[in-house]
Amino acid sequence: DGGITQSPKYLFRKEGQNVTLSCEQNLNHDAMYWYRQDPGQGLRLIYYSQIVNDFQKGDIAEGYSVSREKKESFPLTVTSAQKNPTAFYLCASTLDSIGWFFGPGTRLTVL
Amino acid sequence: RKEVEQDPGPFNVPEGATVAFNCTYSNSASQSFFWYRQDCRKEPKLLMSVYSSGNEDGRFTAQLNRASQYISLLIRDSKLSDSATYLCVVNPTTGGGNKLTFGTGTQLKVEL
Repeated sequence: DGGITQSPKYLFRKEGQNVTLSCEQNLNHDAMYWYRQDPGQGLRLIYYSQIVNDFQKGDIAEGYSVSREKKESFPLTVTSAQKNPTAFYLCASTLDSIGWFFGPGTRLTVL
Repeated sequence: RKEVEQDPGPFNVPEGATVAFNCTYSNSASQSFFWYRQDCRKEPKLLMSVYSSGNEDGRFTAQLNRASQYISLLIRDSKLSDSATYLCVVNPTTGGGNKLTFGTGTQLKVEL
């Protein structure tokens, strides 16, 4: 079955640590995205990538980093510079900008 | 002004009721529009795209008014399983790899 997978489902981080969230898709989609969702707020774009080895900052990129070495993979690193990282992180992909598909998400909590 | 605005609700309706959600967007150049459904603590899932001519999928009808920059979703004969948050989503431009802009969502609770 084609789809998007994210891991882990839950992640706990101590202050000052970097953590990496995984996003993999086997839909053969070119474009991939990372969003963050906080209670009472809409999804906000962190980073996106339209093609392998290229990515752009979204609206709230500070404190985050990404890589796109393979078409199927778009990992997100939450660095210690991100002051309020506790949130629900969603990865998405699209082929033709007609349908975006989301992974099941990772809930990150800072201890 | 927010790029995409929705009434957060919650809308509490009895089973079988008809309910309508509205959404406004600020970018007049926006090209494509969607309604997504999000269940509690789950990822958003595409409910339907929204076209200028209006489109219907079973009990769900979506409308787009470009002149007023307004999108609507109508749910007829509400079911308990319709309880969720409905996200209005706008893609500002055409072409691949474009960014989606999300509303904060409207919460629907369908009750017995």
